[in-house]
Amino acid sequence: DTEVTQTPKHLVMGMTNKKSLKCEQHMGHRAMYWYKQKAKKPPELMFVYSYEKLSINESVPSRFSPECPNSSLLNLHLHALQPEDSALYLCASSQEKASSYNEQFFGPGTRLTVL
Amino acid sequence: AQTVTQSQPEMSVQEAETVTLSCTYDTSESDYYLFWYKQPPSRQMILVIRQEAYKQQNATENRFSVNFQKAAKSFSLKISDSQLGDAAMYFCAYRTPDSGGYQKVTFGTGTKLQVIP
Repeated sequence: DTEVTQTPKHLVMGMTNKKSLKCEQHMGHRAMYWYKQKAKKPPELMFVYSYEKLSINESVPSRFSPECPNSSLLNLHLHALQPEDSALYLCASSQEKASSYNEQFFGPGTRLTVL
Repeated sequence: AQTVTQSQPEMSVQEAETVTLSCTYDTSESDYYLFWYKQPPSRQMILVIRQEAYKQQNATENRFSVNFQKAAKSFSLKISDSQLGDAAMYFCAYRTPDSGGYQKVTFGTGTKLQVIP
């Protein structure tokens, strides 16, 4: 199974709502990532978890709160978002060792619209 | 810090023809990995091809091949016999060998490829 799944596929929320994005993988990867991608732009790294511990937070506003409850799951909790946070949110996973044949596997993304 | 540059925001190719996408990068590292990722419209990003910097031989994967010029810091992707399914956004990406328990990837700005029937 070389699949990363994300739910929901689409999410529309108001600026006062609280919602969560979910990501799951069963490849035994111990590194998981959240990216934000605007239209026609490359993915921008937000957070990295390694062995269920937060390793990188790329100065992301606190209205985004990541959580890694176990080695297969990654959540992104959203609260008080702004319209400019509307984007495609991608989850990825990889083996923790950066040898040449270890790549990041991406999920299909959650299309988030903030009204 | 590493940077990855794709100078062609958009390109088009006739079906069955060959197209080359350009990528240059800047790094002070001697060992690293380079990738091309494909992101079709409304579909997930997948790896197309990879290249280790210590290997002089250019990588190939079926209709996809790269021209890796380490001294020039250039890593272009050639797509032969282009098919309609090749239409996508293509991202060049750079990765260092070891980031301590995870992989930190630097993406280029992307090239949108249109395939004309």
